[in-house]
Amino acid sequence: GAVVSQHPSRVICKSGTSVKIECRSLDFQATTMFWYRQFPKQSLMLMATSNEGSKATYEQGVEKDKFLINHASLTLSTLTVTSAHPEDSSFYICSARGGVAGSSYEQYFGPGTRLTVT
Amino acid sequence: RKEVEQDPGPFNVPEGATVAFNCTYSNSASQSFFWYRQDCRKEPKLLMSVYSSGNEDGRFTAQLNRASQYISLLIRDSKLSDSATYLCVVNTGAGNKLTFGGGTRVLVKP
Repeated sequence: GAVVSQHPSRVICKSGTSVKIECRSLDFQATTMFWYRQFPKQSLMLMATSNEGSKATYEQGVEKDKFLINHASLTLSTLTVTSAHPEDSSFYICSARGGVAGSSYEQYFGPGTRLTVT
Repeated sequence: RKEVEQDPGPFNVPEGATVAFNCTYSNSASQSFFWYRQDCRKEPKLLMSVYSSGNEDGRFTAQLNRASQYISLLIRDSKLSDSATYLCVVNTGAGNKLTFGGGTRVLVKP
């Protein structure tokens, strides 16, 4: 299957700082990437959808100015958590989908980034 | 009501036994259905897609009931390695977003 990587896998930062997480599709071109967040013992919650070259679409309740998403190329999307606070501590997972926008191609998930804000 | 609902479990299953569980979805316009498996502190991995006619992949069988808006997963001859959380995932077609259920935890014991 397709491979998606995330970096870093784990990050600890101080409250008030910003953290950038990278998501890369290694062997296919991802027209669409999705960012999810998962709190302990809860399911994945979609934060935003990004299509290459256009602005991300954020889900209701997700602050676009706090969670900056850039999808500058077909193989890379970044999520920057700005002015992180302890409540932002979570497991952030990206997924990537290839093919034509609007198709039902499968999503392939990255290994996730565990963010801890102290 | 949640869009995708699952029994959180855990389902404690003796090794070698069969276990089955369902997932209900609220949006009748949902187009695609999947079962993902998630191990502790790991990303979800696609287990199988669920087709209208039902499908089988080794020891795993998935069924879709559109009339009652549920999908099911059955695991036969359970292995210890089947212990995981099984996520029901629905694609509603709106922007091709996936909506995840809360997961059903399965624990296979010797």
